[in-house]
Amino acid sequence: DTAVSQTPKYLVTQMGNDKSIKCEQNLGHDTMYWYKQDSKKFLKIMFSYNNKELIINETVPNRFSPKSPDKAHLNLHINSLELGDSAVYFCASSLTHRTEAFFGQGTRLTVV
Amino acid sequence: EDKVVQSPLSLVVHEGDTVTLNCSYEVTNFRSLLWYKQEKKAPTFLFMLTSSGIEKKSGRLSSILDKKELFSILNITATQTGDSAIYLCASTGNQFYFGTGTSLTVIP
Repeated sequence: DTAVSQTPKYLVTQMGNDKSIKCEQNLGHDTMYWYKQDSKKFLKIMFSYNNKELIINETVPNRFSPKSPDKAHLNLHINSLELGDSAVYFCASSLTHRTEAFFGQGTRLTVV
Repeated sequence: EDKVVQSPLSLVVHEGDTVTLNCSYEVTNFRSLLWYKQEKKAPTFLFMLTSSGIEKKSGRLSSILDKKELFSILNITATQTGDSAIYLCASTGNQFYFGTGTSLTVIP
């Protein structure tokens, strides 16, 4: 069983499109995250959800919106995609926001 | 502003060498320091440190935390090519921050 799973693994799309990346965890964790890893491999937190409440929202464009239908899911929706959005996006979860996080396998987004 | 800084940014060593990776932090309401290894896919968890001076070990890897000087080190002894990866440290406090990572390359 995959603890944190995200889909799709690869996503190639044109500028201006809207896309979503899904994430599910079966660990019973209370906190889920979205991270963006750029070409320099820097892992930057985008959002954090704790029991369906947004507790972190870094300086992320409002084209990005997290949606959490329940505490096992945290989806990432991106509007009006831009070239600079190309990166690997990782979903993660942790028992609380102060314990180790477990990562999904990543979604490589390429905007052309 | 909270931050986690790792050094060096990249490192190339020969098999059998010992390496030390550094992580310093300035974090509000610090709780723990974590180390991850990232190969081709997702980061995988290595250690979580919460107390100063207590070394954690797993095989050839070990790590220790100094809460007075606000840093941690990750040691890898007798390096192997399979140790080649990006090593990330992260801190938990008010938020969950990752450092920039250290890219380690071990050559035969």
